[in-house]
This record gives sequence, C-alpha cells and structure tokens, in this order.
Amino acid sequence: QSALTQPPSASGSPGQSVTISCTGTSSDVGGYNSVSWYQQHPGKAPKLMIYEVSKRPSGVPDRFSGSKSGNTASLTVSGLQSEDEADYYCSSYAGSNIVVFGGGTKLTVL
Amino acid sequence: QVHLVQSGAEVKKPGASVKVSCKASGYTFTIYYMHWVRQAPGQGLEWMGLINCSGGSTSCAQKFQGRLTMTSDTSTTTVYMELSSLRSEDTAVYYCARARGIYGGTYFDDWGQGTLVTVSS
Repeated sequence: QSALTQPPSASGSPGQSVTISCTGTSSDVGGYNSVSWYQQHPGKAPKLMIYEVSKRPSGVPDRFSGSKSGNTASLTVSGLQSEDEADYYCSSYAGSNIVVFGGGTKLTVL
Repeated sequence: QVHLVQSGAEVKKPGASVKVSCKASGYTFTIYYMHWVRQAPGQGLEWMGLINCSGGSTSCAQKFQGRLTMTSDTSTTTVYMELSSLRSEDTAVYYCARARGIYGGTYFDDWGQGTLVTVSS
C-alpha cells in the first residue's frame, strides 16, 4: 500500500498546458481503470476533477483531461487560468477495497 | 443536493481516542460507501478506510488496523470514525467522502468540510 508517485511541483503560464504524472504499479494504477484526480485549494476540501482515468464530472471545465499508459496516469490542464493554481492529488483503487493516494503536486500559474 | 456535515474540532491527549461524525443528507444513504481520508498539516491526502453504509462492513489501510473503527447509523444517516491510541502524528484534518464506482467505491464525488483533530499533551 505505497503511495503513488507525483512530482512535488509543476508550473505554467496562463494559457499554456501542463501535465502532471502519477506513477504506481500493476497492482493499482496499471491494474484498474480507477484513477481519479482531485483539486485542493488552501483550507478547502478536495474536489473531484477526473474519475475512472478520463471522465469529467459535470461542472468541471473540459480544459481538464486525464489519461493512462501502463502504470502511469496523467492529468493535463490546458489553457491554464489563475484559478487552476492549487494542489492536485491522484488516487487509484488498489484491490481488496483499498484506495491509495499520490503525494500531491503543487501547480503554480506563473 | 448532497451534504456531508462533520463534527467540530477536537483536542485530545496522547493515548486517548477521538470519534468524528459525518451526517449525510440529500441522497439515499444506504446505497453508497463512505470513506475516511486524513491530511496532516502541510502534507498530502492519506486514505484511511471505508464503510458500507448499509451493512456496516468495513475495510481499512493496514497502518490503521487495530486502531480505526468505523460505524454507520442508518436511522440518522450518520457515519462515525473512531481512532484510538492517539499520538502526535495523528494530528490532521479528517474528511469523510462519499464514494462512487465499483467495489467499495473508487472515487469520491462529495466531501465533508473536514474536522481538525489535534493531539497534544
């Protein structure tokens, strides 16, 4: 039950695209199409942005997209806006009713 | 509209237990699982465990086995998380989160507001 690996930080200028990776193993990310991504602003509860690898909940801008290849999932934010500056966490189902989170990535909009 | 309302902040001494509640409304309580996630100050999210709100069956991360108890009261649509033998490292904001997806839930579409638990002598 090790945490998924995310880069601690990422950045981009307004209007640019940025991609955040989330690396696990064949027992979690690679084994299930159950990767989700959460956005968290300081002092707030996390917000679901992507579920089941690439699905967007209603209300989430289509600037946010998700994908997966092997044991690595990715979140791409296109057309960066200042309000996208936040912490982002991936999570994955890991079998046997266990869920694991990534360590989080702080996204800075320059 | 889904609402998850958690109980207020707690201060506990090392070795004590804490019980946090999460009152659910706006949906059919018994057909979803509820998970608990915590976040230590300045740290990332940590999954703790889940409960089947209907039947009460639970599953938790290995590091909490023996210390974590989760219960569900269908009459009040409230779930509870009790953590025992508290130590300073348990100081964190504790969140309940409604789960969707297969198995016991694989993603969280609604979250409580969080409950700060401080463990200090």
